[in-house]
Amino acid sequence: AQKVTQAQTEISVVEKEDVTLDCVYETRDTTYYLFWYKQPPSGELVFLIRRNSFDEQNEISGRYSWNFQKSTSSFNFTITASQVVDSAVYFCALSVPYSGAGSYQLTFGKGTKLSVIP
Amino acid sequence: DAGVTQSPTHLIKTRGQHVTLRCSPISGHKSVSWYQQVLGQGPQFIFQYYEKEERGRGNFPDRFSARQFPNYSSELNVNALLLGDSALYLCASSLEGRVLSEQYFGPGTRLTVT
Repeated sequence: AQKVTQAQTEISVVEKEDVTLDCVYETRDTTYYLFWYKQPPSGELVFLIRRNSFDEQNEISGRYSWNFQKSTSSFNFTITASQVVDSAVYFCALSVPYSGAGSYQLTFGKGTKLSVIP
Repeated sequence: DAGVTQSPTHLIKTRGQHVTLRCSPISGHKSVSWYQQVLGQGPQFIFQYYEKEERGRGNFPDRFSARQFPNYSSELNVNALLLGDSALYLCASSLEGRVLSEQYFGPGTRLTVT
């Protein structure tokens, strides 16, 4: 069974501060995919990043960066110089392929609510 | 291009009733997945359909069922509604049914059961 833990329920930061959202995952599969999604108050999940288990390179996209460490089963997300528009709930998710059918499902963590205060 | 659309936006039902939620995927996408998101929790996987066939089913009772039509749109049906079925129901579409295909989520249908 797969499991994703986001230990931080809520985080508040002042605008322009850096913030890191933690994600720890559990799976026995050697092939898996990790995701981060953003859910603003409107409710629609917005895809941020996908990372497969064979690629441990860290990634940077503008003010966003992700640190993937298989040794600690973590996939942490850092926002640099946070802005008010970053306020949302952020979900980490894990996916493993179903055997044979090639289908998959996303297992989500409970999410971290980020509030950026002006 | 239009994104994933879901209807209705909001719905209020009474315990014991039946509900049908609808989802239209992005044009060209052949896979649709359904998720339930209870307030304060992460989404939970209900079903995945690809090319009109069920490819995956989450840990939900048989009161939940779904289907996918030839135009790749999908319906989620829930029978004998319980108070605990109150949630945001999210639909996601992807180009294929494999994990390499990125999933795009719709705005969801908020179901309230009274």
